Amino acid sequence: NAGVTQTPKFRILKIGQSMTLQCTQDMNHNYMYWYRQDPGMGLKLIYYSVGAGITDKGEVPNGYNVSRSTTEDFPLRLELAAPSQTSVYFCASSYGTGPYEQYFGPGTRLTVT
Amino acid sequence: RKEVEQDPGPFNVPEGATVAFNCTYSNSASQSFFWYRQDCRKEPKLLMSVYSSGNEDGRFTGQLNRASQYISLLIRDSKLSDSATYLCVVNYPRTSGTYKYIFGTGTRLKVLA
Repeated sequence: NAGVTQTPKFRILKIGQSMTLQCTQDMNHNYMYWYRQDPGMGLKLIYYSVGAGITDKGEVPNGYNVSRSTTEDFPLRLELAAPSQTSVYFCASSYGTGPYEQYFGPGTRLTVT
Repeated sequence: RKEVEQDPGPFNVPEGATVAFNCTYSNSASQSFFWYRQDCRKEPKLLMSVYSSGNEDGRFTGQLNRASQYISLLIRDSKLSDSATYLCVVNYPRTSGTYKYIFGTGTRLKVLA
């Protein structure tokens, strides 16, 4: 199993550009998450999904959108990129919620200039 | 008060030493507790789940104190390869029935030769 994969690994965007961060998991997990991690800060939840077709906002959803058309894929869309969105983005998945661990992808380092 | 608090460190310890980290949480409804390890510029990976009875995994021991609302991680016989940031993760139920995972900012450990 590849686990959770993310593309791209690195990206530089200009202010106002848009992009989609891809996330795929092959563990048949229902739950998927998008986090951002800023230096010296804990991971902050952007969006999460409890299954195909169901998504919900996390703590910091502004400026982002998600969709979940399949169990495997959970892309994150950045519209009108801003310097405040410079961060490392991690996608994660879990079998369930509660006592279940989250498995993380390798992350996408995004710089907006 | 932050929902999850950790001493950022760094804890600099010699090889072979025993080191302990604490993590306090503010929500008494918290139900599941985890320690993750994060290497520099990498994704977090689960080190252990922490149960009320405490649990040991080789050189690593996790403890939970619900009365005082903290969890701890003890590392015995530290190895150079233990150098990393250790993230405390706590979750509690949302009204929707899913669980909200709260990540601490991490404690940095450096094991010195």
